[in-house]
Amino acid sequence: QKEVEQNSGPLSVPEGAIASLNCTYSDRGSQSFFWYRQYSGKSPELIMSIYSNGDKEDGRFTAQLNKASQYVSLLIRDSQPSDSATYLCAAGGTGTASKLTFGTGTRLQVTL
Amino acid sequence: ETGVTQSPTHLIKTRGQQVTLRCSSQSGHNTVSWYQQALGQGPQFIFQYYREEENGRGNFPPRFSGLQFPNYSSELNVNALELDDSALYLCASTGTVRHEQYFGPGTRLTVT
Repeated sequence: QKEVEQNSGPLSVPEGAIASLNCTYSDRGSQSFFWYRQYSGKSPELIMSIYSNGDKEDGRFTAQLNKASQYVSLLIRDSQPSDSATYLCAAGGTGTASKLTFGTGTRLQVTL
Repeated sequence: ETGVTQSPTHLIKTRGQQVTLRCSSQSGHNTVSWYQQALGQGPQFIFQYYREEENGRGNFPPRFSGLQFPNYSSELNVNALELDDSALYLCASTGTVRHEQYFGPGTRLTVT
């Protein structure tokens, strides 16, 4: 069974610190990986995508992918209270538009 | 804003009834996916439509059905509603750049 696993949290970090969110996946055929942010009562918002091993940086966000270890992570630098949300990790396969398999999400709390 | 719209925003139905949810994809996006998100869970893939044809289906019973129209808008129909169908139903359209999926605001369905 294809699975994506995340620690449900909550992960609590002080304002200005680095938040590190982790995700593992079981399907070695997965080729694309995404991080979504979801505020309570809202729909998921795409914040990062990564397709190749290594790091990808976008502003305060860095996504890391290690296909050999089947591991994806998201680092949020200079965490802000507005970053407090649930972060969903998703894995997709190949093809024109494959389905996404989501983890249950990690709740992040950024404290003042 | 992703440009993906869904209607209605909220819906309350009685067990055994039928419901139709609607989605308009972002302009130029010809692939639409539907997901069900129960409280505290990640989104679960229901099915995907590409150019009016079903292009993959998750582990949902046949009473979940869908359509995609020539303008790429889509409907999700659920027959014989059960209490466990209460969830946030999300529509996602797939971008032309690396097949990223962008979610609409969702429809909150409550079955009583």
